[in-house]
Parts: sequence; C-alpha cells; structure tokens
Amino acid sequence: DSGVTQTPKHLITATGQRVTLRCSPRSGDLSVYWYQQSLDQGLQFLIQYYNGEERAKGNILERFSAQQFPDLHSELNLSSLELGDSALYFCASSVATEGRETQYFGPGTRLLVL
Amino acid sequence: DAKTTQPNSMESNEEEPVHLPCNHSTISGTDYIHWYRQLPSQGPEYVIHGLTSNVNNRMASLAIAEDRKSSTLILHRATLRDAAVYYCILRDWTNAGKSTFGDGTTLTVKP
Repeated sequence: DSGVTQTPKHLITATGQRVTLRCSPRSGDLSVYWYQQSLDQGLQFLIQYYNGEERAKGNILERFSAQQFPDLHSELNLSSLELGDSALYFCASSVATEGRETQYFGPGTRLLVL
Repeated sequence: DAKTTQPNSMESNEEEPVHLPCNHSTISGTDYIHWYRQLPSQGPEYVIHGLTSNVNNRMASLAIAEDRKSSTLILHRATLRDAAVYYCILRDWTNAGKSTFGDGTTLTVKP
C-alpha cells in the first residue's frame, strides 16, 4: 500500500459524458501527478500540481483539466469523452518536486468509455 | 526531455541475478536516474534511483556508467514476484514533473 488513494476504482460511461477522478496523496506529500496508461501509448504524464499550483504540463488534452485543493487532494476532470479515452489513470504523489524525490503511485482508476 | 532506451523483454531463471540495461545518451548533468516497476494490474512502484554513484537498497542495485550515458538495474536473486515491467526514467533536479516513462522492459522469471 503506497498510501495514495484513488476513487473510483472502475468507471464505465458513455461517449460525450464527463467524469471526475479523485486522488488523495500520501500524508505530507505536496506534489500530485496524473498519468494516463493505455494499451498503445504506455504511461503518459498528464499534469503535475504542487501545493495547489500547476507545476508542469504534459500531453494533456484540452478536454481534460485538473486541480489540487487546499487539503491537497486532486481531481482530474475528463469531458466530452471519446472511446480513445478508455485507459488506466494513475495518480502519484511526492513530498516536493525535485528530481530526487520518489513518486508513490495509487492503484489507478480504470475508465471504460462505451 | 531526455529519453531512455530499454530492451522490450528479458527472461531470467528464478534465484539467478538479472541485469536490466538502460541507455540514456542524452542525459543532462542535472538528471537523476530512477527505476520503477509495474506488476500486473498495479500502479508503478519505486525501485531505486541515483545520480552519479552506484546505489544499493533492499530491493536492488543500480550501476551507473562513468559517463552516465547508461545504467543497469541489478536484481541479485530473481523471484517469481519480480516478474513485472521495469521502467528507467530520467528526472530533472529542479522538477520531477515532466519525466517520461518509456516502454520499459518486461521481465519474465521462470521457475
């Protein structure tokens, strides 16, 4: 158990819909990262927040957005869903942002868009 | 972002050492070398990291070439539970955020 929690574990929805994925970082961790893992793309970095502020952006689509709240939990919002958005979405956390930091990953949310 | 290159797959026998290579010829002086592994149906798990010197922990050893353009993750005695995808990643000193996970190496351990 990494200490990072993600809800829900599984999500099934239809094209065009909007969903929200939630992540609670390990106690004391200020930095949260979101990743998407699909069969043909591998693990793709989406976005990073540090203490409520966006810190780095990866290949995140405009239909996706995220935020980190004052209690440090984070939400990833996916809208106008397409079939290709079906994937595993992982959240990770670390104490700070430096390159030597260890990232702790949650168990993931499996999203299926029908 | 600096990229890493790893073999797609490797096989090992149980109880034998495993050497997983990683090439990172465009590494910068401020990049840390991290290794993570992902067991089936789980999130990635930290294994080890280093900057310039070789590193050991309870899970593995990391050998870093003198020019830092390659590294090797060493599992001293592979077990069936070590079967996973192993990722070698570079993380910038100032911000770990935009690190890139490559395709990784799928390690198969045979009993």
